[in-house]
Amino acid sequence: EVQLLESGGGLVQPGGSLRLSCAASGFTFSNYAMSWVRQAPGKGLEWVSAIVGSGISTYYADSVKGRFTISRDNSKNTLYLQMNSLRVEDTAVYYCAKVTVAARPPYHFDYWGQGTLVTVSS
Amino acid sequence: EIVMTQSPATLSVSPGERATLSCRASQSVSSNLAWYQQKPGQAPRLLIYGASTRATGIPARFSGSGSGTEFTLTISSLLSEDFAVYYCQQYENWPPLTFGGGTKVEIK
Repeated sequence: EVQLLESGGGLVQPGGSLRLSCAASGFTFSNYAMSWVRQAPGKGLEWVSAIVGSGISTYYADSVKGRFTISRDNSKNTLYLQMNSLRVEDTAVYYCAKVTVAARPPYHFDYWGQGTLVTVSS
Repeated sequence: EIVMTQSPATLSVSPGERATLSCRASQSVSSNLAWYQQKPGQAPRLLIYGASTRATGIPARFSGSGSGTEFTLTISSLLSEDFAVYYCQQYENWPPLTFGGGTKVEIK
């Protein structure tokens, strides 16, 4: 059974940093691109970042480029999102998501974690 | 960036009726479109990809159609568990991957 379990969310002041983790199980992690998608309270879905299975290539939304870094440790089956210079508008539930098809770009996502809430506030 | 626009924002439907949701892209996305369902407090669930291919385990009452800039998600006969918010997402031209604003399907 595929499982994705996020952790690391919490309350942080503007300008602060957080590191989110997503522990994956139930599939060959290194074969699949992964992504982070966020959802501000009461709002829709916003794609944040993606990384291919090998970790060689990464992609970012303009809204987080230069502030967030996606990475993965395939030996630990874990996806990360390092978030620096956080802003109030980064407040959201952050989901990690697994791409549907192995060895394909991060087109669409068939499994999602339960999400972790990041609140940026003074 | 490709902008995805969903309509209507809210759709009121009675159980057993048919629901038709629309998604429009600001430029052609070919058939590179996915649909997700999200219930309150839950993560999104993939329903459709490739505009018309049902994801694993998705009931046949869900169907997707369209190509280019106009897409439709049809739920043939609504069950109580289908009342939720539905999002479309394009993956033709990325980054960024972009989602529509969502359509809430509520009980009439």
